[in-house]
Amino acid sequence: DTEVTQTPKHLVMGMTNKKSLKCEQHMGHRAMYWYKQKAKKPPELMFVYSYEKLSINESVPSRFSPECPNSSLLNLHLHALQPEDSALYLCASSQDGLAGVGEQYFGPGTRLTVT
Amino acid sequence: AQTVTQSQPEMSVQEAETVTLSCTYDTSESNYYLFWYKQPPSRQMILVIRQEAYKQQNATENRFSVNFQKAAKSFSLKISDSQLGDTAMYFCAFMNSGGSNYKLTFGKGTLLTVNP
Repeated sequence: DTEVTQTPKHLVMGMTNKKSLKCEQHMGHRAMYWYKQKAKKPPELMFVYSYEKLSINESVPSRFSPECPNSSLLNLHLHALQPEDSALYLCASSQDGLAGVGEQYFGPGTRLTVT
Repeated sequence: AQTVTQSQPEMSVQEAETVTLSCTYDTSESNYYLFWYKQPPSRQMILVIRQEAYKQQNATENRFSVNFQKAAKSFSLKISDSQLGDTAMYFCAFMNSGGSNYKLTFGKGTLLTVNP
């Protein structure tokens, strides 16, 4: 089973709101990722967690705050977003890079609109 | 730094025909992985096929196959017997092997339309 799930599917939020995106995988993967994707563009890496520790932060603004409560869950907390943050947010997971090929499996994404 | 180039922003093919999507990459590494991902209009990114650079044999997954030319740094995707469900954006991607190989470098994508 190569399933990564994400909730919610769609989210509309105002610039003063606080919301969270959730991602879950049960493949035993130890690396999890957040990407941002604009229409007709490739995904842009935001964060990487390896063994529940943040290993890569691609200079993402602090209004995005990731959290990895355990090896199966990944959250992205959102606060004071801007309209330009409207995008599809993709979660992915992979075996730890040291353990194997590490191909990434993606979830269906959360379509975020900031008003 | 690695770069991935997909020179065909859009392509179209008739149902049941064969189409080839191009991808070239630039790297100084000798060990790495290459992937093709498909993203249909529903937007879920799906792994189509992967190739380990150390393997000379081209990867095949059902109707999808690659032509991997390591010296030329080329990694094209061939789709045989195209189906309407193959309509999608296709991304070529590169990943270093070894160490903390977490970063995927994506090409800009090729939008493939399969026409009935």
